[in-house]
Amino acid sequence: DQQVKQNSPSLSVQEGRISILNCDYTNSMFDYFLWYKKYPAEGPTFLISISSIKDKNEDGRFTVFLNKSAKHLSLHIVPSQPGDSAVYFCAALSSNTGKLIFGQGTTLQVKP
Amino acid sequence: SQTIHQWPATLVQPVGSPLSLECTVEGTSNPNLYWYRQAAGRGLQLLFYSVGIGQISSEVPQNLSASRPQDRQFILSSKKLLLSDSGFYLCAWSEGSEYEQYFGPGTRLTVT
Repeated sequence: DQQVKQNSPSLSVQEGRISILNCDYTNSMFDYFLWYKKYPAEGPTFLISISSIKDKNEDGRFTVFLNKSAKHLSLHIVPSQPGDSAVYFCAALSSNTGKLIFGQGTTLQVKP
Repeated sequence: SQTIHQWPATLVQPVGSPLSLECTVEGTSNPNLYWYRQAAGRGLQLLFYSVGIGQISSEVPQNLSASRPQDRQFILSSKKLLLSDSGFYLCAWSEGSEYEQYFGPGTRLTVT
């Protein structure tokens, strides 16, 4: 029962272009969503989050979009940089439980 | 500022041996603490969480256990390791009612 899904295991983009990472969820009780970035052999680093009362949140080069009707969120990175190459996890939670449910991750490669 | 420590960084243990992984958080009081496992090519799976000293909730049945002997110390243990216990173990903390969780550097456990 995969409540949070990242259907693309990998993504490759050219430096300077936009990276779009996608995430779908099934549980309508989720009301808070987060994106994490992870380098090999390190713990995930929190990137950006969004509450279900919003449809967009922006922080520098990172923007998260939430489409509640489609149960879909995406992370846009503009412009992409080689240092952005990492595994990106989306996560969701219901404020009732406070437990984060993670997707499987998408490996982003940004080519110079 | 808050920091989270995990040790050891890597561990190779034979099947049937005991396990003890330690996590400590600095710079905060009464954090929520979490243990996750990331198996190869998969997302993060929540194993245990704790909202206070001596309060442990288990998310999945397994031969692992967790304890919180002090406010900022979280320990993951096993009496007898299985091959399937191999993975990357991550400790995380969050502040009170905040949803963002912050991860430690992780422990790579290989059971042989």
